[in-house]
Amino acid sequence: AQSVAQPEDQVNVAEGNPLTVKCTYSVSGNPYLFWYVQYPNRGLQFLLKYITGDNLVKGSYGFEAEFNKSQTSFHLKKPSALVSDSALYFCAVRDSTGGGNKLTFGTGTQLKVEL
Amino acid sequence: SAVISQKPSRDICQRGTSLTIQCQVDSQVTMMFWYRQQPGQSLTLIATANQGSEATYESGFVIDKFPISRPNLTFSTLTVSNMSPEDSSIYLCSGRDSQGYTFGSGTRLTVV
Repeated sequence: AQSVAQPEDQVNVAEGNPLTVKCTYSVSGNPYLFWYVQYPNRGLQFLLKYITGDNLVKGSYGFEAEFNKSQTSFHLKKPSALVSDSALYFCAVRDSTGGGNKLTFGTGTQLKVEL
Repeated sequence: SAVISQKPSRDICQRGTSLTIQCQVDSQVTMMFWYRQQPGQSLTLIATANQGSEATYESGFVIDKFPISRPNLTFSTLTVSNMSPEDSSIYLCSGRDSQGYTFGSGTRLTVV
């Protein structure tokens, strides 16, 4: 079975400061990992993914994430937060083995960036 | 990656009625999925829509309540049948192609 944990319901950060949104995962095989962002009354927008290769993945809007196999983590980061980054962020995982195609989502982390 | 148009974007329905949600993809996708999301909460997978055959439902979801069609590789519908207030939620479709997973903008359903 595959699972994702986002331990923080909410993260508050001042504009201009770095931000981190945490995600840990559990899969039987190798993970495919994703980050999505959801603005109010909108669908999910893709930010970035890790399939294989470099552990540091760069994505949309200046976001990046670091895959850490030993810690089974895939934390989302941005060097300098913007007020417009305030949204709901979801981490998702898919097990690359077992023939499954389903994404399993974390519970989401509400990011609030304040002036 | 693919772009998904989902409609309606929102609806208010009477209990006991049914609503059909449509998703049209601008390119062929190998897989399509239907999710339910309570506002501000995580996504729960309802089913995987299979082209030309019956959908594969997750535990707790049944075909009689959530019939799904997928007649081709670019279109799928989800019907919420015999609705009750507990069905009030956001329903999202998703498609998977070689680039990854794309989502529709969601249908906000309120059952009164």
